[in-house]
This record gives sequence, structure tokens and C-alpha cells, in this order.
Amino acid sequence: AQSVTQLDSQVPVFEEAPVELRCNYSSSVSVYLFWYVQYPNQGLQLLLKYLSGSTLVKGINGFEAEFNKSQTSFHLRKPSVHISDTAEYFCAVSGNQAGTALIFGKGTTLSVSS
Amino acid sequence: DAGVTQSPTHLIKTRGQHVTLRCSPISGHKSVSWYQQVLGQGPQFIFQYYEKEERGRGNFPDRFSARQFPNYSSELNVNALLLGDSALYLCASTLTGDRYEKLFFGSGTQLSVL
Repeated sequence: AQSVTQLDSQVPVFEEAPVELRCNYSSSVSVYLFWYVQYPNQGLQLLLKYLSGSTLVKGINGFEAEFNKSQTSFHLRKPSVHISDTAEYFCAVSGNQAGTALIFGKGTTLSVSS
Repeated sequence: DAGVTQSPTHLIKTRGQHVTLRCSPISGHKSVSWYQQVLGQGPQFIFQYYEKEERGRGNFPDRFSARQFPNYSSELNVNALLLGDSALYLCASTLTGDRYEKLFFGSGTQLSVL
């Protein structure tokens, strides 16, 4: 079974500052890793995903994440945030078996202020 | 092209009642998944269907059931509603439902059980 821990429930930052949202996962098998964003009153939108290959993954809206197998982490980063990045961010993991669903973390609220 | 559409957007029920939520996937997508998102938590997997067959089931009681129709739309049914069933119910679609695929989420149905 897989599990995901998002280490920060809330991250307040100022506009144009860098940000890192932390995610650790647990799994006994190979995994796929995802970051999703949820804006108020909307569904989830995929930011980026790691399936295999390069451990640095680039996504939409200037976000990137680094897969670290030894530390079982998949932290999300952005060098300079905008007010519009204010949203809920979810890290998710999927196992390597058919029918395996995405397991989501509890989410991190990113609040960007001017 | 239309995205994933869910109906209704909001619903209020009382304890013990039954509810049916509906989802239409993106055109061409053959797999639909259902997730429950309780306020302040990440989405939790309920069901996945592919080609009208159940492919996966999360840790939910038998009061929860679902089905997929020949046109790939889906219904989620919940019997004997409890207060704890109050949540945002999200539907997501993919082409085949493989675990590495990007999920396309609808905006959800907000269910309130009084």
C-alpha cells in the first residue's frame, strides 16, 4: 500500500518569493508521483508528474519537482510565486498495479500575499 | 471540447436518504473514477470503472455503489446517508484508466447531509 504525507498544511509567502511544498511518500513498490492544484470551487488540475527517467520534473505555471528515491520525497518548488498561485496543492502517489488508484495527501494551502 | 461534467453541482439531503450523482467523461475517455473530498482533506478514492467494468474499489462501505453506462457516463449512488457523507464528490476521467495517466477532474458535486 502507498501513503503520502504533506509536511506543511499551510505555507504563507510574499509575492515573487520562492516556495517549496514538501511531500514524502511511502511504498513497497515502484510508484508514480503527481502534484495537483485545486482552485476554490474547482476540480483538481495536474501540475506535473514523475513516471520515470530524469528526477527533475518541470510542470505548468513555472512549477518543478524533484524525485528523491532515497529520501522518498517529491517536493514541489517555484522560484518566484504570483498572487494567482494561491490555491490548495495536493501530492499524490500511484502504485504499479492495475486498478491502483491515486492516493492523495491532505493538501497544502499556499497563500501568496503582496 | 467539453471537460468532465458533473451534476448536480450542489445537493442537500437528510440522513437516511439516498442520492445519485452523475458524471460525463471527456469525449473518448473510457475510464471514470470517483473520489470523495471531505473539507480540509485530500480526495479519497471510491471507485474506478473502465469499459463498464469495476476496476478498483476504495475502502468505502457497501452503501456506496457505482456503475458505468455504454456511453461511458457514470453514476455514484449512496444509500442510507450519514452526516459524515457530506463532502465534495469528484469524478475524473482518463482514456484507459492506467495508473500513470493524467486524471481530468470535474468541478464536483457538493453534497450536504443534514
